[in-house]
Amino acid sequence: SQTIHQWPATLVQPVGSPLSLECTVEGTSNPNLYWYRQAAGRGLQLLFYSVGIGQISSEVPQNLSASRPQDRQFILSSKKLLLSDSGFYLCAWGGEQYFGPGTRLTVT
Amino acid sequence: QKEVEQNSGPLSVPEGAIASLNCTYSDRGSQSFFWYRQYSGKSPELIMSIYSNGDKEDGRFTAQLNKASQYVSLLIRDSQPSDSATYLCAVKNSGGYNKLIFGAGTRLAVHP
Repeated sequence: SQTIHQWPATLVQPVGSPLSLECTVEGTSNPNLYWYRQAAGRGLQLLFYSVGIGQISSEVPQNLSASRPQDRQFILSSKKLLLSDSGFYLCAWGGEQYFGPGTRLTVT
Repeated sequence: QKEVEQNSGPLSVPEGAIASLNCTYSDRGSQSFFWYRQYSGKSPELIMSIYSNGDKEDGRFTAQLNKASQYVSLLIRDSQPSDSATYLCAVKNSGGYNKLIFGAGTRLAVHP
């Protein structure tokens, strides 16, 4: 069966600090992978999606970037966090989009 | 701009009643529709998918699709307090790449 992991589960970072969130999927090959952000009390905003290694499409211009160095690994990064980057970051895989447990990021 | 609209709620129903959650979408080319349940502080969980007009039943859940009216609904029979959550409607973008467009969700509260 397929499993999706995300870490860390929670993160508190100061404004201007870098960010790296990791997502890995087990039990499937060449999955479509997605990064979403959910601000408090809001809907899901698609940030990036990837159909294969090194293939990244950005949905929303911002100070975040994504990379896919391996088939089942998807990384979300930032060089300098903003207060507005706070939120619940979710990784998902597959056409029906099964979600990982998420990372709750607070930028202070 | 392709959109998915849901009433934010809260929708309050007594235990044992039928909860009816509704969703409209703007992308006429969409062929795939999904309902997710999200408990507070947790990630969304896929509970139903529907691809054809009509009803699809799975246990206490029934998804209904009317493509002509661009309308999707989710019925929860015999509602339980454990069904209290936010329900997200999602529509697959007809433009490809398996992208889903999510509604903001409807909060359901089932009271004993």
